[in-house]
Amino acid sequence: DAGVIQSPRHEVTEMGQEVTLRCKPISGHDYLFWYRQTMMRGLELLIYFNNNVPIDDSGMPEDRFSAKMPNASFSTLKIQPSEPRDSAVYFCASRGTVWGTGELFFGEGSRLTVL
Amino acid sequence: AQSVAQPEDQVNVAEGNPLTVKCTYSVSGNPYLFWYVQYPNRGLQFLLKYITGDNLVKGSYGFEAEFNKSQTSFHLKKPSALVSDSALYFCAVRDHRGSTLGRLYFGRGTQLTVWP
Repeated sequence: DAGVIQSPRHEVTEMGQEVTLRCKPISGHDYLFWYRQTMMRGLELLIYFNNNVPIDDSGMPEDRFSAKMPNASFSTLKIQPSEPRDSAVYFCASRGTVWGTGELFFGEGSRLTVL
Repeated sequence: AQSVAQPEDQVNVAEGNPLTVKCTYSVSGNPYLFWYVQYPNRGLQFLLKYITGDNLVKGSYGFEAEFNKSQTSFHLKKPSALVSDSALYFCAVRDHRGSTLGRLYFGRGTQLTVWP
């Protein structure tokens, strides 16, 4: 299995631009999570999906952030417009159900720099 | 509310010495507990988990963790540290009841440095 695949690995953009991060979860996994990691706040859960349906988006910082999961093999996290404080590493993770005992599998992350 | 505390931002240990990375948790009901490791510029990797049964859990790379219900702790240990163990370690807990089923609560992480 190729694991969780994220793209791009690095993104440098200017303030005000739209940013789209992509994730392909492990085949057969029905939970997908988006996390953000910064030095100041550590690892934050932004949103997670179960069977392509958003379950908890309370961690999405503001309306500039949106996430979709149109099918079981693809998800996007979009920031529009981007701001310098959005600079962080964004991780996607997936897991199977296994009644909550299954571990998360993380992608390698997308490092976003907003100038 | 579910939460995890890692009281030490950094742990330094000499190679060959035993290491402990501390974790305490707060959860309603029985916890599912996890340890993850993150190497520089990489995603988090699963190390081990406690679901039920034996309080001593063995995981990858020679790590183990001890679940202590009375102290609500799940400390990560290794008898003999290696320089290659240097990384950021995260403790996490999941409540297996209610609407939060599925969500994992992470600690802030502990940076482990093993000196040669």
